[in-house]
Amino acid sequence: DIQMTQSPSSLSASVGDRVTITCRASQSISSYLNWYQQKPGKAPKLLIYAASSLQSGVPSRFSGSGSGTDFTLTISSLQPEDFATYYCQQSYSTPRVTFGPGTKVDIK
Amino acid sequence: EVQLVESGGGLVQPGGSLRLSCAASGFTFSSYEMNWVRQAPGKGLEWVSYISSSGSTIYYADSVKGRFTISRDNAKNSLYLQMNSLRAEDTAVYYCARDHGDSSGYYYYFDYWGQGTLVTVSS
Repeated sequence: DIQMTQSPSSLSASVGDRVTITCRASQSISSYLNWYQQKPGKAPKLLIYAASSLQSGVPSRFSGSGSGTDFTLTISSLQPEDFATYYCQQSYSTPRVTFGPGTKVDIK
Repeated sequence: EVQLVESGGGLVQPGGSLRLSCAASGFTFSSYEMNWVRQAPGKGLEWVSYISSSGSTIYYADSVKGRFTISRDNAKNSLYLQMNSLRAEDTAVYYCARDHGDSSGYYYYFDYWGQGTLVTVSS
């Protein structure tokens, strides 16, 4: 199975900050990497697919990069509604996908 | 508007059974592959099961294989998860999620999720 790790597990940031979250796969997954945002009590929401493609309707302050084993999700200017937990997901072995453990972004 | 609405969760004793349903609307359900994903309280996301659009291809996570059965009724626009021999570690919110591929057909992702239904396994 492909294992996914994320760092940091949590971070505190202020509105307007640039935030970067890292995701690493246990083997090369090319660009088969998706990012989701989840707010408390809500379902996950797709942000980025294929490592760097922005899902329709998602603000352009979100961006993704990387390929192979190392990936990043960047929020260029953190907004109040961005405080949430972010998960990466590999789809290389679809349909047997796996998620990272999550990164919680909270208010500094 | 795409909608996925889960139901059927609740409190069940260890060893018991429960059947979850996911009612789909706003899209051609029979054209899409579907999944169940769960999230234990305070924990991350775990993929549980996949079913192809026709229902002919099915996969399970090792943690539920032999105990859970995924199925669908395209005439009723519904997805199901039959859960047997439930354990305490199956306690989680269960989400149904639509599988979608990009225009290239290579990249897949879960583009719509239901609101989830809570399953609690406890005596």
